[in-house]
Amino acid sequence: GAVVSQHPSRVICKSGTSVKIECRSLDFQATTMFWYRQFPKQSLMLMATSNEGSKATYEQGVEKDKFLINHASLTLSTLTVTSAHPEDSSFYICSTVGRGDYTQYFGPGTRLTVL
Amino acid sequence: SQQGEEDPQALSIQEGENATMNCSYKTSINNLQWYRQNSGRGLVHLILIRSNEREKHSGRLRVTLDTSKKSSSLLITASRAADTASYFCATETSGSRLTFGEGTQLTVNP
Repeated sequence: GAVVSQHPSRVICKSGTSVKIECRSLDFQATTMFWYRQFPKQSLMLMATSNEGSKATYEQGVEKDKFLINHASLTLSTLTVTSAHPEDSSFYICSTVGRGDYTQYFGPGTRLTVL
Repeated sequence: SQQGEEDPQALSIQEGENATMNCSYKTSINNLQWYRQNSGRGLVHLILIRSNEREKHSGRLRVTLDTSKKSSSLLITASRAADTASYFCATETSGSRLTFGEGTQLTVNP
């Protein structure tokens, strides 16, 4: 399998501020990571695919200027929620694909609350 | 967009009983995966079934896949209170991108 960590696990911020969430692949090099958003009692929605060394691919309806993704190394992808507003409050989860299989390994998630 | 639909949305059973959850999808897939999520936590991969497979077992889990009906089921046998969680199916179509179903909230009462 693969071990994925996220930091921070929980963040509360004021409206208008920017928040950076880190996703790390701890035990192998991940060329591709995925970012999901999950609202309370709902399913996960894929936001974007993060590719090491290149631009992220965003899903339809996801604002790339709002959700900045950087995948500068094989073990770290970051998601920055810029000028956050209360409607951005959600659970953000990253994942990576394991070696040699199609299984995705998920981070523990980051709970963002925008006041 | 969500292509997976799951039923039931919520399921409450007694410990020791079996729990069956169903998932339907709309497009062709490479594989279908089942995940478990405890409240406020990340997802844990349970089992993957490829499009050319019909049934797969892992411990107390049994997954079936019917590509002609575009549906899958997850059976948990001899359930335990610790199985209480949300269960999601996810279909993989291309590029490892997953599309998740709406999920089933399972409650196993001791």
